[in-house]
Formats: sequence, structure tokens, C-alpha cells
Amino acid sequence: DGGITQSPKYLFRKEGQNVTLSCEQNLNHDAMYWYRQDPGQGLRLIYYSQIVNDFQKGDIAEGYSVSREKKESFPLTVTSAQKNPTAFYLCASSLRTSGSGYNEQFFGPGTRLTVL
Amino acid sequence: DQQVKQNSPSLSVQEGRISILNCDYTNSMFDYFLWYKKYPAEGPTFLISISSIKDKNEDGRFTVFLNKSAKHLSLHIVPSQPGDSAVYFCAASATAGTYKYIFGTGTRLKVLA
Repeated sequence: DGGITQSPKYLFRKEGQNVTLSCEQNLNHDAMYWYRQDPGQGLRLIYYSQIVNDFQKGDIAEGYSVSREKKESFPLTVTSAQKNPTAFYLCASSLRTSGSGYNEQFFGPGTRLTVL
Repeated sequence: DQQVKQNSPSLSVQEGRISILNCDYTNSMFDYFLWYKKYPAEGPTFLISISSIKDKNEDGRFTVFLNKSAKHLSLHIVPSQPGDSAVYFCAASATAGTYKYIFGTGTRLKVLA
């Protein structure tokens, strides 16, 4: 059945290491997003992609990188430049339409990253 | 600058009563609003949405009200059930084709049996 998968669910990383979080969707959605959630805060947008081979920075892109080589995949790399990487990371996708573009986002189950 | 605000971090309601969750926004360009429900360690799930051409949208026990002049929306849950206990996020988007949504900080709802 259709949905968004994120792996792994829990990830531990040593300080100074890069790590890549996986996000795959089989909903045939054009747009994909990465958010970060910290305790007591909302979802903050890291990067988003409206179409394959194109992506834009969100509000907190520093220390992160993404790629969108395939429609169904949008991996996020947390680099050593990210000062506070410990957080809950959520991937989402939505159907991009040529009209208003108003579509709800569907979220994956999330990956909790802990930097040791 | 928080463009979407949920000023109540938590709310407790008795089972069977009405839950009212509030959300305020500052950007007058926002014209589409959504509510999401989130359980711990899971991704948010979409609940209900409303566009700015409406002032009310209803789906079962969930109703969203939009007051554009006050830049305020609210989610009503009637009757509240223990399974509704979760964190609720409101989100807003502007007509710009960017497909970006701005999320509030969330309200933790606890429905007491």
C-alpha cells in the first residue's frame, strides 16, 4: 500500500560525522519536504523539492544537504557543520498540481537522530 | 518571527465535552490552513483543512473555523474521546506555488476519561 517510509527509525552518530537519512514515497507525489522537530517547537522546514533534480532551502538549511535524483526518493544528509543535529526528523510529500497547489502533506514516521 | 502561533501549549478536556484548539497567524497572504494530529514518535497525520474562501469546514467530529479579519482559526472536536489525546499542529500556506507550509508549535490535548 502507498505511503512514505523513513529509515532508520533511530540513529546515533558521533560528533563530527555526516549521516544520511532515507525518505522514500510510492504515492507518485511531485513535492517532498524535510522538517525538523525539537521539543516545544513546531515543524521547521529544512529543504523542499517540487520536482526531480530541483530543491530549495527552507528556513533552517544550514548544515544540511539533500538530493532529488528520483521522484520517489529525497535523502537528507546531516553534516558535521550542523551545530545541534539531535532532533526528530520528518519527511513529507504532497501532490503538486498545476492549479492552486493546495494539497495536504503526508508524513513519514520520522527518524530520531541522536549525536553522542 | 513566528508567523503561525498556537499560544496554548496544552489543553485538558473531559471525555464527551468539546475541545477547542486555537491558532493565530500574522501573514495576510496565507489562504490555506490545515490541522494535523501527532502521536509521540510518529509522523503527523492530516485531519482537516480550510481555504480562505470559506469560514467553516466540517468532517465528522472535527470542525475548523476561520476568521480572516482576526487572522484566527480554531479546531473543534465534539465529542472528545480519549483517543484524541495527541499534539495538534496548525499549518498555513500562501498562494505562491512554493508548496511551503508554516507550522505552529503545537497544542498537546489530553482527553480525560
